[in-house]
This record gives sequence, C-alpha cells and structure tokens, in this order.
Amino acid sequence: AQTVTQSQPEMSVQEAETVTLSCTYDTSESNYYLFWYKQPPSRQMILVIRQEAYKQQNATENRFSVNFQKAAKSFSLKISDSQLGDTAMYFCAFMGYNTDKLIFGTGTRLQVFP
Amino acid sequence: DTGVSQDPRHKITKRGQNVTFRCDPISEHNRLYWYRQTLGQGPEFLTYFQNEAQLEKSRLLSDRFSAERPKGSFSTLEIQRTEQGDSAMYLCASSPLQVGEQFFGPGTRLTVL
Repeated sequence: AQTVTQSQPEMSVQEAETVTLSCTYDTSESNYYLFWYKQPPSRQMILVIRQEAYKQQNATENRFSVNFQKAAKSFSLKISDSQLGDTAMYFCAFMGYNTDKLIFGTGTRLQVFP
Repeated sequence: DTGVSQDPRHKITKRGQNVTFRCDPISEHNRLYWYRQTLGQGPEFLTYFQNEAQLEKSRLLSDRFSAERPKGSFSTLEIQRTEQGDSAMYLCASSPLQVGEQFFGPGTRLTVL
C-alpha cells in the first residue's frame, strides 16, 4: 500500500524568506502523480502544484516549486518570497496511475511571520 | 464557476442518530469524491463516483455508511447509527476527468455527542 510521510508537523518562516516543506512516499508503482495541496485556516483545500512521475523536470508555479527525487521517493515543496497569505496547512498527496484517489500525508502547518 | 458546495457546513448529532450530507460538484465535473479528515490528520479517501456509478469504496466505509449520486450530479453521504468515532470533517471534491485536479468543497464538520 502507498504511504505518504510529512515529517515536519510545523514550520515557520519570515515574510519574503524561502521555506522548504518535506514529503516522502512509498510505492511500488513506476507511474504516478504527486500533489501539494494548501488548506488555509477555515477555508477549503486548493491545489498548489502537481508533478507527473514520468516527467524529470520539476514543476514550478510562480513562487512554488518542487524538488522531485524519484529514486529517493522524495517530493519537497519550496515556497519563495513567502507571503502572509501562505499561512496554511500543506498536504502532500499521492495518486497512482490507475486510480483516482488521493492519499494524503498528515500535513505541515506553515506560519508566515511579518 | 461557483465551486463545490456542501450542506450543512456543521452538524451536531447524538450517538445513534442518522445523518445525511449533501455535495454539489462543479456542474460539468463527472467525477465526485468523498474524503474524511480527522483532527491533525490528512484527508482519507472514502469513495468516488463517475457520473452515477460508484467506482471505488474504501474499507473505511463501513456498512453504516452509504453514498449515492443518483443522477450523476449531486451526491449524498449517509451515516446510520452514528458513533463518536464518526466525528470528523467530511470533504467532497470533484474533477472533470481522470487524474485531473480535484476541487474541494468547504466540508461538513460532524460532531457526534
């Protein structure tokens, strides 16, 4: 069974600084998808970024980028130029190639300080 | 695009009662998902539909849980004989195609006393 591990329950960063959130996963599949979702306080979850395992190039979305290391089964999220609005729970998620369900980690609570 | 909506947003019930939640997906999305999120945990998959067909159910979905999507539009999740362990946030999501982005609703927070 696939598992997703986020080893950092809480992180904090000062506004305008860079922070990296860690995620590791376990799977025997060779093709799959990885996601980072953001859940702001009392608001609904939104997709931050996604990565297809067959793509070697790391995904980037504006200030958000990932470091995807397939052999190490690692998928970290880097947030550059942190903003107060980035304060949220961040969940790493896995989806197998032939399934449609997301498997989430336990989340990392990120606090951005002014 | 009005987004995924869920009703009610909060539900408090007594142990042993039945509850039903509703999810309205984004209108053109044919895939609909239910997840459960307990405090301090990530969401856990419960079940999903493609149109009106229920394609997969988690073993978390005991026989007290049932989900329907009768006309391929909105979906309901019913919990019979609620237990305190059912207290959680129930999240609904929809997507337009396989391995598309899943758009989440605001959730229904269930408290079982």
